[in-house]
Amino acid sequence: GAVVSQHPSWVICKSGTSVKIECRSLDFQATTMFWYRQFPKQSLMLMATSNEGSKATYEQGVEKDKFLINHASLTLSTLTVTSAHPEDSSFYICSARVIGPKEAFFGQGTRLTVV
Amino acid sequence: DAKTTQPPSMDCAEGRAANLPCNHSTISGNEYVYWYRQIHSQGPQYIIHGLKNNETNEMASLIITEDRKSSTLILPHATLRDTAVYYCIVRVQRTSYDKVIFGPGTSLSVIP
Repeated sequence: GAVVSQHPSWVICKSGTSVKIECRSLDFQATTMFWYRQFPKQSLMLMATSNEGSKATYEQGVEKDKFLINHASLTLSTLTVTSAHPEDSSFYICSARVIGPKEAFFGQGTRLTVV
Repeated sequence: DAKTTQPPSMDCAEGRAANLPCNHSTISGNEYVYWYRQIHSQGPQYIIHGLKNNETNEMASLIITEDRKSSTLILPHATLRDTAVYYCIVRVQRTSYDKVIFGPGTSLSVIP
């Protein structure tokens, strides 16, 4: 199946700094990618839909100015957590779709810890 | 997309079949049933999907009732590596967007 790669797998940053997470589709083009956040012992929560060449669509309650999404090419979407705080510590996962009734492909996730 | 309900947790003995149920009584005619699983601290992994016929692949079998209001994911010979949270999702394929929304899922523990 198709491969979605996230980088980094884990990151520790200081409070107030910004962190960028990359999501790449390695063997297919993804016009749409999705970003999820997962807190311990909870399910994945969709944050936003990233569309190549246009602005991302954010789910209700997700701060677009805090979670900056850029989808500059058909194989790369980035999520930047700006001015990170300890409550932003979470597991962030990206996903990409192939058009049609096909499965979604997920990255391996990025564990963000803000200290 | 239709809502699904799954038991929060299940146990299964190693080597036995694991049968994970999912109710989706409000499913529409053009909605597919998908199953994913998430092993601890990893991204979700696709398992199988179907529309109305039963499906089988190298990982599992999917049994969908004739009225399509429920389905069962079957792992024929569960191993310890199958311990994970299993998500049943129903959704329709749209051309403009196609979100995958996760519910709480079923936490499957395979016991030695």
